[in-house]
Amino acid sequence: AQTVTQSQPEMSVQEAETVTLSCTYDTSENNYYLFWYKQPPSRQMILVIRQEAYKQQNATENRFSVNFQKAAKSFSLKISDSQLGDTAMYFCAFIIYTGANSKLTFGKGITLSVRP
Amino acid sequence: DTGVSQDPRHKITKRGQNVTFRCDPISEHNRLYWYRQTLGQGPEFLTYFQNEAQLEKSRLLSDRFSAERPKGSFSTLEIQRTEQGDSAMYLCASSSDRGNRPEAFFGQGTRLTVV
Repeated sequence: AQTVTQSQPEMSVQEAETVTLSCTYDTSENNYYLFWYKQPPSRQMILVIRQEAYKQQNATENRFSVNFQKAAKSFSLKISDSQLGDTAMYFCAFIIYTGANSKLTFGKGITLSVRP
Repeated sequence: DTGVSQDPRHKITKRGQNVTFRCDPISEHNRLYWYRQTLGQGPEFLTYFQNEAQLEKSRLLSDRFSAERPKGSFSTLEIQRTEQGDSAMYLCASSSDRGNRPEAFFGQGTRLTVV
């Protein structure tokens, strides 16, 4: 079974500073994808960034980057130059790319508050 | 394509009534997921489809919940004999197992309140 663990329930960061959100996962599969999703208060879940397990290079999307450590099964999200609009719940998620058991599994999420 | 669409956005129902929600996925997506989310928590997996086949259903789901995707396009989620504990946001998402883009896209959700 696949599991995703986000052990930090809440974090706070000053506007313009950098924050790192942690995530670990567990799987016996070798071909999978990892994601970070953002859910602003009362708003839709949107994809922030994704990482293919077979790629060693860490994914980046503008101010968002990941630190993917496959051997350690760790997948952290770094937000640089934090903005007030980054305030949201952030969810780490995982999917096996092929096969019948390909449901998207989420962590419990972390609430990030950006302080002005 | 306007993305994943869910209807209704809000539903208030009396305990014991049946409710049905609809989800229209992104047109080229063959996978469709249903999740339930309560305030401040992560999405809880309910079930998912690949085309019209329901491949997995959560063991946490009681027999009061049923989902269909009859033609591999839109999907419905029905809750029979609703209980107050069913009050939650019900999220639908879709994705594709073709190409190199397996990420799921979410609808805006249906918020259910059972009174």
